[in-house]
Amino acid sequence: SQQGEEDPQALSIQEGENATMNCSYKTSINNLQWYRQNSGRGLVHLILIRSNEREKHSGRLRVTLDTSKKSSSLLITASRAADTASYFCATALMFSGGYNKLIFGAGTRLAVHP
Amino acid sequence: GAVVSQHPSRVICKSGTSVKIECRSLDFQATTMFWYRQFPKQSLMLMATSNEGSKATYEQGVEKDKFLINHASLTLSTLTVTSAHPEDSSFYICSAREWGGETQYFGPGTRLLVL
Repeated sequence: SQQGEEDPQALSIQEGENATMNCSYKTSINNLQWYRQNSGRGLVHLILIRSNEREKHSGRLRVTLDTSKKSSSLLITASRAADTASYFCATALMFSGGYNKLIFGAGTRLAVHP
Repeated sequence: GAVVSQHPSRVICKSGTSVKIECRSLDFQATTMFWYRQFPKQSLMLMATSNEGSKATYEQGVEKDKFLINHASLTLSTLTVTSAHPEDSSFYICSAREWGGETQYFGPGTRLLVL
């Protein structure tokens, strides 16, 4: 079953604008990861933020994590047409014996127009 | 580094046949591999987790006898869709993770169409 909810479901912006996507989850997590998927392709790992971290940067990406609210946000600054894709958050849940798995949110479809 | 391949990338088959999809980690040893299914414009749904040398752990609602998973080596896992039906048509994606690693690396996916 899905753990996370993402909003918005779809986002349409102009090149140069910032894009913000939000993710909420339900249970305690080990870490939270953001992935990108171009249409009909596999997923590309963007960034991982651990449960004891609050903010992380990677290039034009900024991720925040608020474990008290069980939410995360992904900010893409100065967007480009090439950023057009679906973006998914995934929460890593730990189970006994070191076994863990990712549960994906519903995703946000981002369209960046030239 | 951390490249995962899948083969085939697309497959069309007749109803009732079985289809095997391979997932390979090309430049690292994947102690754990995961199989996901994705319907159009939807998220990824975890089907099963496989650890090298042991039986796969299936998610609730996923039929073990329908979706056979074999993880015989540290670089290869296979998913066999047995007696495929049109409702099995979907995008199947695998991912792989090193022992102790936090990141899953995803393959490019396999699009299955059952006629």
